[in-house]
Amino acid sequence: DGGITQSPKYLFRKEGQNVTLSCEQNLNHDAMYWYRQDPGQGLRLIYYSQIVNDFQKGDIAEGYSVSREKKESFPLTVTSAQKNPTAFYLCASSIGLAGVYNEQFFGPGTRLTVL
Amino acid sequence: GENVEQHPSTLSVQEGDSAVIKCTYSDSASNYFPWYKQELGKRPQLIIDIRSNVGEKKDQRIAVTLNKTAKHFSLHITETQPEDSAVYFCAATDSWGKLQFGAGTQVVVTP
Repeated sequence: DGGITQSPKYLFRKEGQNVTLSCEQNLNHDAMYWYRQDPGQGLRLIYYSQIVNDFQKGDIAEGYSVSREKKESFPLTVTSAQKNPTAFYLCASSIGLAGVYNEQFFGPGTRLTVL
Repeated sequence: GENVEQHPSTLSVQEGDSAVIKCTYSDSASNYFPWYKQELGKRPQLIIDIRSNVGEKKDQRIAVTLNKTAKHFSLHITETQPEDSAVYFCAATDSWGKLQFGAGTQVVVTP
């Protein structure tokens, strides 16, 4: 459970605004991920990072951006280009991307609502 | 890319009965298959996982079976209890090592 924090827990955004979701981990994990969760659709990968200063697009990266300047931090920016941003956002981390090292630990999530 | 399908989407069982959730995957290179449990409003948590070199794994009331030939794996929960009520997700690694998740199964255990 512990080791990954996300803030804020709830976030309200007006249309046209960019917002940044925070994700921090103290598990010394190399890999970090951002998922979007909508009802009935499971977890969809937005971006992931295997190492500092490197990140890759996931399945639904359009309208989102990330940075990985520190091993512990992987913030997600939801831009105004994201047409339907209201969702539950989950951050996760793992030791790496190889086999069982892919066991992912999730943060508590941020619920974003566009007003 | 990897495609993971999960069935059923909802499952209602009586307390004490067994529950079975099935997943299929498409990438024959997948080598890691975790199952996560997510209670309402909370984060997903790993409950059991299996690697491709193992056919079955058990942890108390929970077991997972893997059929690599048929590309499917299943979660079995025996002697279900009300606290087993949650959404359960299966996942499989794709060729890049990332996890692809199923759509989830809402399990409701009725007393």
